[in-house]
This record gives sequence, C-alpha cells and structure tokens, in this order.
Amino acid sequence: DTAVSQTPKYLVTQMGNDKSIKCEQNLGHDTMYWYKQDSKKFLKIMFSYNNKELIINETVPNRFSPKSPDKAHLNLHINSLELGDSAVYFCASSRPISTGELFFGEGSRLTVL
Amino acid sequence: TQLLEQSPQFLSIQEGENLTVYCNSSSVFSSLQWYRQEPGEGPVLLVTVVTGGEVKKLKRLTFQFGDARKDSSLHITAAQPGDTGLYLCAGAPEQYALNFGKGTSLLVTP
Repeated sequence: DTAVSQTPKYLVTQMGNDKSIKCEQNLGHDTMYWYKQDSKKFLKIMFSYNNKELIINETVPNRFSPKSPDKAHLNLHINSLELGDSAVYFCASSRPISTGELFFGEGSRLTVL
Repeated sequence: TQLLEQSPQFLSIQEGENLTVYCNSSSVFSSLQWYRQEPGEGPVLLVTVVTGGEVKKLKRLTFQFGDARKDSSLHITAAQPGDTGLYLCAGAPEQYALNFGKGTSLLVTP
C-alpha cells in the first residue's frame, strides 16, 4: 500500500485553465503539506494543514487553494494557471509539525503551456 | 524563512571516492534532517540529528550536527552508483514546517 499517494502524476495544460491535484495518506498522520519543487530542485513549503485546519500559508498566490475534506486528504486546486506554475508539486504528511519525519508522495509534474 | 545553504550544488565523482556535503545556516535549529531524492520520486528521510555535536552513521553515510546546531554535514565513504541522487537538508523553525536547502546533486559513475 502506498503511504502518500497523489494524482495525477503528470498534468499538461494550457495557460488560464483550472486544475486540481489530489493527495491521500494512509499513515494516520495529523499534518499534511503541499511543497513546490522548481526546475532547480528547490523544495518550498506552500501550505500545511493539521487536522483539516490550515496552519501554514506561505506567500502563495491566491489562485492556489488547498482543501482538506478530512485529515487523510489534502487537495490542491489551481485557478488561472500561469507558465510559472510549471513545477513538481509534492504532497507530504507527518505526525507532529516541525519535528516529525516527512513522508512524501511521488510528486505531480505540472506543465503549463 | 530561515535559510539553509547547501554546498556543493553539484558533485560528480567516481565510484570508490569519498565526499562531504555541507548544510549551513545562521539560525539555530532544534533538529536537522537529511533526505535523499531519486528522479521521479519524492524525498526519503535518511536521518534526523537533534543534539549539538551528534554523529550518526548509516552504513557508509556519516551525519554530523554542529555543536551550535546551525550546521550539518553528510560524509559518504567509498561512494557507489546507488548513492546517486539529490541530497537535501531540512530544518524547522519552531512550530513551522520543514524548510529545505537547495540540495546537492550527486552523480557517482562506475
């Protein structure tokens, strides 16, 4: 069983479209995250949820909206996609925030044309 | 955001050589983690160091946390092609998510 799974793995779309990436974890963790990894491999925190509540929202355009229907799921919806949104988006989960090991999904590679 | 600087950014070596990767910050961390990421996959935790001066070994990998808990190093002895990957250090300011360094891309050729 995959611990943290995200779909889709690849997403190619046109500028201006709206798209979603889904994430699910079966580890029983309370905290989930979205990270963005750019073309230079820099991994940057975007959002963090703890028990369905948003606790971290870094400087991310409000075109990005996370949603956590329950503590095992954290989805990312992106409106009006721009070229600069092209990146690999990683979902992760952990137990206590800031000290726990992060378990990452395989990533979703988004390409905006 | 507390910056973690990693060096070198890229490293290409032959099988059997030794190497050291550095992770530095001007901030103090309660703990530091090292991850390895292979192409097409998410990062996987290698080790967490917590105590200043701590040394941890994982087979041919040796991790050290600086006395002041501001820096860390990863030393690989007799590197093998299977060690190829992106090595990331990560630290967490209190009550925040992990911040990652920019990574060191290691290529070990046979």
